[in-house]
Amino acid sequence: DAGITQSPRHKVTETGTPVTLRCHQTENHRYMYWYRQDPGHGLRLIHYSYGVKDTDKGEVSDGYSVSRSKTEDFLLTLESATSSQTSVYFCAISESKGPWGNTIYFGEGSWLTVV
Amino acid sequence: GIQVEQSPPDLILQEGANSTLRCNFSDSVNNLQWFHQNPWGQLINLFYIPSGTKQNGRLSATTVATERYSLLYISSSQTTDSGVYFCAAKETSGSRLTFGEGTQLTVNP
Repeated sequence: DAGITQSPRHKVTETGTPVTLRCHQTENHRYMYWYRQDPGHGLRLIHYSYGVKDTDKGEVSDGYSVSRSKTEDFLLTLESATSSQTSVYFCAISESKGPWGNTIYFGEGSWLTVV
Repeated sequence: GIQVEQSPPDLILQEGANSTLRCNFSDSVNNLQWFHQNPWGQLINLFYIPSGTKQNGRLSATTVATERYSLLYISSSQTTDSGVYFCAAKETSGSRLTFGEGTQLTVNP
């Protein structure tokens, strides 16, 4: 199993509150990703990182920000949570053949409910 | 961007049966992966297969890049094979993996 830990695993929060999800890896992989999974939409990329302090937007980045101050940690922040951000969030990592040139491995997911 | 379509959307099998899942993609790809999501939500990478054929136990995959499709074969299915199978592809000129909507597989005892 890839050494990826997501926290929290489950969270219920109120509309308008900030929320931060953490992804921690022990593999020293360069590339890290945040996806969300929703019925009817499959998995969609939110943001990804190709190194410390190097991040880029995915296809559904509005309302989300990320930070990567250490190789092992990639944080996803919802500045002001909305009900449309209720979802399952997956962190993923991949080795160093370029962000999309290699196998990616997923964490176990974080279930977020915004009420 | 690239379109990734999986078929069938749902598949129900008896234990021991064989099955083939298909993934069609709309452009040339340099990354094609298959994943299994188990009933507890865990996503497991099965194959990284932008071209050619690979086998891992009862599972095998073939990607024919020139014809823009990939196939996942499951032989002698077991109840633990149940879950959703996703295909994901990145077009050669693209910047991210795009996932299909998956095939929901149910294997009954």
